[in-house]
Amino acid sequence: GIQVEQSPPDLILQEGANSTLRCNFSDSVNNLQWFHQNPWGQLINLFYIPSGTKQNGRLSATTVATERYSLLYISSSQTTDSGVYFCAVNTPGNQFYFGTGTSLTVIP
Amino acid sequence: ETGVTQSPTHLIKTRGQQVTLRCSSQSGHNTVSWYQQALGQGPQFIFQYYREEENGRGNFPPRFSGLQFPNYSSELNVNALELDDSALYLCASRDGINYGYTFGSGTRLTVV
Repeated sequence: GIQVEQSPPDLILQEGANSTLRCNFSDSVNNLQWFHQNPWGQLINLFYIPSGTKQNGRLSATTVATERYSLLYISSSQTTDSGVYFCAVNTPGNQFYFGTGTSLTVIP
Repeated sequence: ETGVTQSPTHLIKTRGQQVTLRCSSQSGHNTVSWYQQALGQGPQFIFQYYREEENGRGNFPPRFSGLQFPNYSSELNVNALELDDSALYLCASRDGINYGYTFGSGTRLTVV
């Protein structure tokens, strides 16, 4: 099956700092999403981004499908940004694979 | 954000028993998928249903089965429960292939 690797696995930031999270995938995909999982387990959809660039407030994402990677940018981080960030890809075979995750801790 | 509801929120079962978890999707969401998330791990894809037919499956044994109903609800059934089935089970739905998935809050299953 497809491999979806995220980096870094863990990240600690001072409040106000910027960060870039990366998602690499090993094969062609139909689409890609970024999620934030809160401490209660709820997966919050951040971006549906099979290709191109999108922005939503302090967050933005870029997917380069031809090079099989996606980036999530977090600017001016806040303590509420803490949690685990997952990318997930949908394969042509109708399977949905999550990445390995990045655990983000933002300290005041 | 979520219009996807799951029930129950927590459940304790005994090894060898059977369990049914339920999910109610947003109206118009023809595609539903189920995931297992063990503690400290990412969600693992179990299967996907489109218009009441299974059209995608992950690496899970046949004792994991599902149903999708015309009213946008669905079920995940697990037979012969094992201790390793203890996990958070997530349901997600979407409206067409060009839209992202919306996830429910999950059912936390404990097998003892």
